[in-house]
Amino acid sequence: GENVEQHPSTLSVQEGDSAVIKCTYSDSASNYFPWYKQELGKRPQLIIDIRSNVGEKKDQRIAVTLNKTAKHFSLHITETQPEDSAVYFCAASRRSYIPTFGRGTSLIVHP
Amino acid sequence: GAVVSQHPSWVICKSGTSVKIECRSLDFQATTMFWYRQFPKQSLMLMATSNEGSKATYEQGVEKDKFLINHASLTLSTLTVTSAHPEDSSFYICSARDLTDYGYTFGSGTRLTVV
Repeated sequence: GENVEQHPSTLSVQEGDSAVIKCTYSDSASNYFPWYKQELGKRPQLIIDIRSNVGEKKDQRIAVTLNKTAKHFSLHITETQPEDSAVYFCAASRRSYIPTFGRGTSLIVHP
Repeated sequence: GAVVSQHPSWVICKSGTSVKIECRSLDFQATTMFWYRQFPKQSLMLMATSNEGSKATYEQGVEKDKFLINHASLTLSTLTVTSAHPEDSSFYICSARDLTDYGYTFGSGTRLTVV
């Protein structure tokens, strides 16, 4: 089955800095890579996703890059704000398959 | 977009009692729903896959007689924690595959505390 590794487990940045979270996956057939943001006690919310036919996708301050050859994908947050503080999960899956989640990254943005 | 409703949002129960958690897809039909368990500061651990009209598929290590899942309609799946113990205290989240067949929408989660 799929195995997703996520690093780092904790990331602390100053407001305005950039944050990068990296994930690797094992199943070369995976073709869908979503990122979720989970605030304390709340449900994970999809913030951005990318499919395997695209190398990069951007949505305002958030971007995701995918390297299918190396089987890794990354989340980039620019100009971080305190409200970006949360736990971020990456996931990998194939169409109609259950996604496999990374272990999560706790992002702390210091004002 | 796809909306999944989960109730209750929190529940406190005594050891030995049973608790039922409901997961509803509000604006779409979900033939498959998923139940996750999340301990503090940990990732989402898939417990079981709930299939409408058939038996649920449980992940290795999850006791099917303790965590009863029923998916009686295309919009409702329930998880019943039977004979709850303090170690069952956790955050339980359901999800359903959305209309695109790629993404997953999560319920709001249920914080279960067993005292």
